[in-house]
Amino acid sequence: QVQLVQSGAEVKKPGASVKVSCKASGYTFTSYGISWVRQAPGQGLEWMGWISAYNGNTNYAQKLQGRVTMTTDTSTSTAYMELRSLRSDDTAVYYCARDDYGDPTHFDYWGQGTLVTVSS
Amino acid sequence: DIQMTQSPSSLSASVGDRVTITCQASQDISNYLNWYQQKPGKAPKLLIYDASNLETGVPSRFSGSGSGTDFTFTISSLQPEDIATYYCQQYDNLLGVTFGPGTKVDIK
Repeated sequence: QVQLVQSGAEVKKPGASVKVSCKASGYTFTSYGISWVRQAPGQGLEWMGWISAYNGNTNYAQKLQGRVTMTTDTSTSTAYMELRSLRSDDTAVYYCARDDYGDPTHFDYWGQGTLVTVSS
Repeated sequence: DIQMTQSPSSLSASVGDRVTITCQASQDISNYLNWYQQKPGKAPKLLIYDASNLETGVPSRFSGSGSGTDFTFTISSLQPEDIATYYCQQYDNLLGVTFGPGTKVDIK
């Protein structure tokens, strides 16, 4: 069965960076992409960007351009999302989700979420 | 960016009622519109993709329709387990992905 298992909760200080991992299993990793979606406490869903595990192409939300980097390690079927220069409003649950390999489209399997807290 | 609006923002209905949520895009998105269900403390779940296609394993009481800028999501007979927040989501290969603000559904 398809599973996406994310790394554990993080607490970071403003200005620091965080890197969240998402290990995929139960499907051919390089046949799909991964999108990252975050949700601030009590708020809605915000798409952060997408990476193709097929060819490494990326598409980042304009709001996060320059602060976010998404990568994959096909040898371990793991996707990573790094967010830099953290601010208090980056406090959120971060989700990875399986997506299309060619472009971001729809998200059929999701990780369990990783809470990132940014606080001094 | 393509902006998405949803209405209503919340609703209360009785078990067995027909529930309808609308989603409007700020520009023509063809049928590039998906619907998700999110229960508290859980990851979202894909219900409908490409406006009207039911995801595998999703009960047939859920349905979607529309194209262009106006879309509708319907629960034909509300069940207690349908209590959740529902989000629409559009995708565009140049402009990226946007979610609607969500509609919270509960039981009257």
